[in-house]
Amino acid sequence: RKEVEQDPGPFNVPEGATVAFNCTYSNSASQSFFWYRQDCRKEPKLLMSVYSSGNEDGRFTAQLNRASQYISLLIRDSKLSDSATYLCVVIKAAGNKLTFGGGTRVLVKP
Amino acid sequence: NAGVTQTPKFRILKIGQSMTLQCTQDMNHNYMYWYRQDPGMGLKLIYYSVGAGITDKGEVPNGYNVSRSTTEDFPLRLELAAPSQTSVYFCASMGGGQHGGYTFGSGTRLTVV
Repeated sequence: RKEVEQDPGPFNVPEGATVAFNCTYSNSASQSFFWYRQDCRKEPKLLMSVYSSGNEDGRFTAQLNRASQYISLLIRDSKLSDSATYLCVVIKAAGNKLTFGGGTRVLVKP
Repeated sequence: NAGVTQTPKFRILKIGQSMTLQCTQDMNHNYMYWYRQDPGMGLKLIYYSVGAGITDKGEVPNGYNVSRSTTEDFPLRLELAAPSQTSVYFCASMGGGQHGGYTFGSGTRLTVV
């Protein structure tokens, strides 16, 4: 089983709609969680951290469910510019090594 | 600040050739990393460094070597290139305490033929 798993998609989303997707992780001792965004043929960039209580950043909402070992990302009022691959990232209990999921591709269409 | 700079941006190698991928950061970050990303896949850690003079293997180190003689530079060496090393290589850095706050370079696209 992979350490961090994501549905590769693509999620085809009408502009203005809401889309949500999850990421599961296998190590229950994982401490920190993040969502990164990667545009085609570009480097990943940090989108947002994921806190235990859940957190929002504009149209983006991240949730953590430790009991079921998954994190989620919800995008409201999708924009064409939200089309990208969203990478789930997990840090284990010690060290500063990030483990990346395979990414979920989102395509927002007019 | 330039951030993390990778060179070259593109390279084609023949099987058995060697090359060094350069990575430089100007943020005085202690932690530096090399990842590879195959088409449609996530990033896999090749090597990392927690400071000058210290390096350690990641998930997929075979066929690669690194050095960290200075805080700024973290070159990745490919010896005897193989087609399986065709990939996009990303260098990243992070300052202590900035969990998740990786700064990535723009990547090196390597093709081995």
